[in-house]
Amino acid sequence: DTGVSQDPRHKITKRGQNVTFRCDPISEHNRLYWYRQTLGQGPEFLTYFQNEAQLEKSRLLSDRFSAERPKGSFSTLEIQRTEQGDSAMYLCASRASGSDEQFFGPGTRLTVL
Amino acid sequence: QQQVKQSPQSLIVQKGGISIINCAYENTAFDYFPWYQQFPGKGPALLIAIRPDVSEKKEGRFTISFNKSAKQFSLHIMDSQPGDSATYFCAAPPGGSYIPTFGRGTSLIVHP
Repeated sequence: DTGVSQDPRHKITKRGQNVTFRCDPISEHNRLYWYRQTLGQGPEFLTYFQNEAQLEKSRLLSDRFSAERPKGSFSTLEIQRTEQGDSAMYLCASRASGSDEQFFGPGTRLTVL
Repeated sequence: QQQVKQSPQSLIVQKGGISIINCAYENTAFDYFPWYQQFPGKGPALLIAIRPDVSEKKEGRFTISFNKSAKQFSLHIMDSQPGDSATYFCAAPPGGSYIPTFGRGTSLIVHP
């Protein structure tokens, strides 16, 4: 499968725990995006990488959230001290330079108990 | 701040009918207007997209109609099929940015 992959697909955690998600973009795509999607809503932008540089962050990305893309390939999204309000689907997307089209991964569904 | 308003929230259509979903935007700098299709448990997938230099784009049973003066664009699904049952999102990124603002989605059910 040469699409965007995300791991894990599902994560259940207790409030206050830290969680980390991984995204592997399409190999030749140098742009990478993280989104959050809650039930009945469209994806909401969290952050954007061009290669290893984090170029934009949404106001939604509180100081409990951190994202990295250390070698310009895969990316991780960490949420510290999870809260019940963090329960959502976390989507990763990638895009090739010069193209408008974003390719989404299947998402990681987080449930915070 | 809702920059892209999508309607209806849900839509039920009989097989063979036409499904129409509308989006209105505010930011005139938007220059790329995609529609995404999302099935349960999956990420969104690009269905069709249009730029504001054309008023209509057709790909198979799917057509985007774009009205720049009204700041509206719509998705038409002709000969709707049960397999089209999904959630559809419109999106629009501001000019010079590739960070789209998504509508809230339309849940489409096509009855056989």
